[in-house]
Amino acid sequence: QKEVEQDPGPLSVPEGAIVSLNCTYSNSAFQYFMWYRQYSRKGPELLMYTYSSGNKEDGRFTAQVDKSSKYISLFIRDSQPSDSATYLCAILSNARRDDKIIFGKGTRLHILP
Amino acid sequence: EAQVTQNPRYLITVTGKKLTVTCSQNMNHEYMSWYRQDPGLGLRQIYYSMNVEVTDKGDVPEGYKVSRKEKRNFPLILESPSPNQTSLYFCASSAGTGSFLTYNEQFFGPGTRLTVL
Repeated sequence: QKEVEQDPGPLSVPEGAIVSLNCTYSNSAFQYFMWYRQYSRKGPELLMYTYSSGNKEDGRFTAQVDKSSKYISLFIRDSQPSDSATYLCAILSNARRDDKIIFGKGTRLHILP
Repeated sequence: EAQVTQNPRYLITVTGKKLTVTCSQNMNHEYMSWYRQDPGLGLRQIYYSMNVEVTDKGDVPEGYKVSRKEKRNFPLILESPSPNQTSLYFCASSAGTGSFLTYNEQFFGPGTRLTVL
């Protein structure tokens, strides 16, 4: 089983809809959960991160972690065409210098105007 | 402006011709890393460096070399490129170790699209 799995999409939704993006992971030792957004022809940029379980909200974006199910989600409310991008989940065991971040393969999201 | 820069942005070359992709950051970051991104495979780490003169292999180091002689620069060297190294390459940097509850964001460069014929 891969350490982190993410549906590659593409996912197309109409403008204004709520978007749900998800990843599953295999190792219960992971504690840091990140979402990166990558626009076409650009490098990834950090959108949000959470430590351990629970929800974190930032404007229209909510990151949710369910450690019991090893499931992480990113919700986008009132989606806009500018949200069209690839979203990569990423996980980390701890913040040690030698620890390695593991990326999901990314989900391509299209918001239709 | 805080940023990671890469050069060149696009490169087409032929098998066996040595090339270097430069990476530079102006944020005084200790940690730097190279990734390649391929369709269906996602981001895979090639090499990383935790500080000057300290480098280590990532998941896919074969066919690549790196050096870290200065804190701000982390070039990626392909001594004898092959077609299977055709990919999109990203350099990234971060402040290094996070602390409890804190993740130190990795800042990515704009990418270098390499084609090896």
